[in-house]
Amino acid sequence: GQQVMQIPQYQHVQEGEDFTTYCNSSTTLSNIQWYKQRPGGHPVFLIQLVKSGEVKKQKRLTFQFGEAKKNSSLHITATQTTDVGTYFCAGLALYDYKLSFGAGTTVTVRA
Amino acid sequence: EPEVTQTPSHQVTQMGQEVILRCVPISNHLYFYWYRQILGQKVEFLVSFYNNEISEKSEIFDDQFSVERPDGSNFTLKIRSTKLEDSAMYFCASSVVAGGDNEQFFGPGTRLTVL
Repeated sequence: GQQVMQIPQYQHVQEGEDFTTYCNSSTTLSNIQWYKQRPGGHPVFLIQLVKSGEVKKQKRLTFQFGEAKKNSSLHITATQTTDVGTYFCAGLALYDYKLSFGAGTTVTVRA
Repeated sequence: EPEVTQTPSHQVTQMGQEVILRCVPISNHLYFYWYRQILGQKVEFLVSFYNNEISEKSEIFDDQFSVERPDGSNFTLKIRSTKLEDSAMYFCASSVVAGGDNEQFFGPGTRLTVL
């Protein structure tokens, strides 16, 4: 079945630095979504990417969907303490109706 | 802002007992989901539900699991005979349109502890 892999598993970042988390699917995706889960919280939708090569920005967050629609990345610039949490990508395979979540990247920030 | 609600927030049960986890999806949403997250691990899809029937389920969702929409607002997940490995956070989610084609709104979760 479809597998979605995400790296790194953990990211320790100095406040103000940038970082990137990467997501790779074993199969071509129809779309990919990103969710953020704060410690002790539930996943909250951030964004959805649908088109090949699509790039979307939300303030300091930049999301990218690969040309082959098999990979995606989330880049955060000037990390803040409010960015702490686990970022999950979730892919929808072609001809499928269920999201497959990656293992998540857990971000901690050093002030 | 409308939100998905779940009850109880924490359920403790003995192995072999039946549990029912309850969810109230957002009122105009048509698609409902249950996910499981074992502590420290990723979110795992269990089942999706539309038009009063299961539209998709994962290999985790075996005969011990069932879902129901008993009335116009509630969506329940029943585990018939709980096992230790069923201990996890269970999230309900809902969306306006199908599957991953749209934002899914997650509830706060029910933490199930099986002793």
